[in-house]
Amino acid sequence: DAGVIQSPRHEVTEMGQEVTLRCKPISGHNSLFWYRQTMMRGLELLIYFNNNVPIDDSGMPEDRFSAKMPNASFSTLKIQPSEPRDSAVYFCASSLVQDQPQHFGDGTRLSIL
Amino acid sequence: DQQVKQNSPSLSVQEGRISILNCDYTNSMFDYFLWYKKYPAEGPTFLISISSIKDKNEDGRFTVFLNKSAKHLSLHIVPSQPGDSAVYFCAARSGAGSYQLTFGKGTKLSVIP
Repeated sequence: DAGVIQSPRHEVTEMGQEVTLRCKPISGHNSLFWYRQTMMRGLELLIYFNNNVPIDDSGMPEDRFSAKMPNASFSTLKIQPSEPRDSAVYFCASSLVQDQPQHFGDGTRLSIL
Repeated sequence: DQQVKQNSPSLSVQEGRISILNCDYTNSMFDYFLWYKKYPAEGPTFLISISSIKDKNEDGRFTVFLNKSAKHLSLHIVPSQPGDSAVYFCAARSGAGSYQLTFGKGTKLSVIP
């Protein structure tokens, strides 16, 4: 079975540009999570969707960050405008139901110059 | 303030010996704990979990021990294999049905052949 698929794997862009990260969760999973990993703060939950509906976005750092889940098989995380401090690895994860172990994608390594 | 702490950033073990990875937590409301394993350039992979109603859970070479009074858990790998070399993350959550995981910053295990 295919796991969680994220794209792109690497993104390098200049400060001020819009960045869009994409995620395809495991088919049949109703819970989707976006995380950010940095050296300083480790893995942090940004937003959680249940059945395509955003349930908890308290981890989204600023209004520059937004996330959508238009259907059960696709989600995006957008940063506009991007800043150097947004440089991190962004992971998407999904689970069958919200309290089951989460399955992670391989992440997007984002570098903002 | 970190609620889940992995105080050893790295650990080296000889192949065939036991690896012991430790994790401490401060939030007494945590009642479910997970270990994830992460290879470079990949996402974390769920390894093993334990509920607070238990003090031990085994899965093959992997055993997790929970000491609630000390707010401490450990992951034992016996025998250690070179393929176990990875970063191990401890995670915790509180409440049945909860989706929110709090992660430690990880311990890098190196198993020397």
